[in-house]
Amino acid sequence: NAGVTQTPKFQVLKTGQSMTLQCAQDMNHNSMYWYRQDPGMGLRLIYYSASEGTTDKGEVPNGYNVSRLNKREFSLRLESAAPSQTSVYFCASSERAGTQYFGPGTRLTVL
Amino acid sequence: GQQLNQSPQSMFIQEGEDVSMNCTSSSIFNTWLWYKQDPGEGPVLLIALYKAGELTSNGRLTAQFGITRKDSFLNISASIPSDVGIYFCAGQLSGGYQKVTFGTGTKLQVIP
Repeated sequence: NAGVTQTPKFQVLKTGQSMTLQCAQDMNHNSMYWYRQDPGMGLRLIYYSASEGTTDKGEVPNGYNVSRLNKREFSLRLESAAPSQTSVYFCASSERAGTQYFGPGTRLTVL
Repeated sequence: GQQLNQSPQSMFIQEGEDVSMNCTSSSIFNTWLWYKQDPGEGPVLLIALYKAGELTSNGRLTAQFGITRKDSFLNISASIPSDVGIYFCAGQLSGGYQKVTFGTGTKLQVIP
């Protein structure tokens, strides 16, 4: 039982490059989330998926797209990376209200 | 976007001391949560509170859901070195997608 897994753990991109962050959970949760964490800002919600087949914008969705591939997997795509997207990205899943389980994070640097 | 106010932002304490931190909001929440984040890891849920006035313990940790539903408190008794990390409060009002609002965190450092 791995919980929530994320790949890659680290990534360096040049401005304008694209990439997809992968997330998978094995807890059979309906809801999944993508957050970014910046120093002094806490966790900010980028996109979420309440259930398989649905996705919605969070607080800071600009510059990102998501895909809920199936119940287990929820990916985050940066189409044209910008230095402002340098951050740590966390995926999470939940079943019950608020009790989210987080992955280990992806540390992204955009040069 | 809305964020919760956590205080203090950081604290240094001596091993064995008790610790208190709190979280306040301008809006009410129906659920309050406390997470801990170790360096280089994702946040881990410590305590969940579902009812105003509720007091819940998890080992040396005790958290309370404020009766106004606009605040919550976390206490750690007899701190140990592994308590080091960032503690986040989080609140949820309601909603089918279970959106949670996170605080900015309290960074705790324990001096052995």
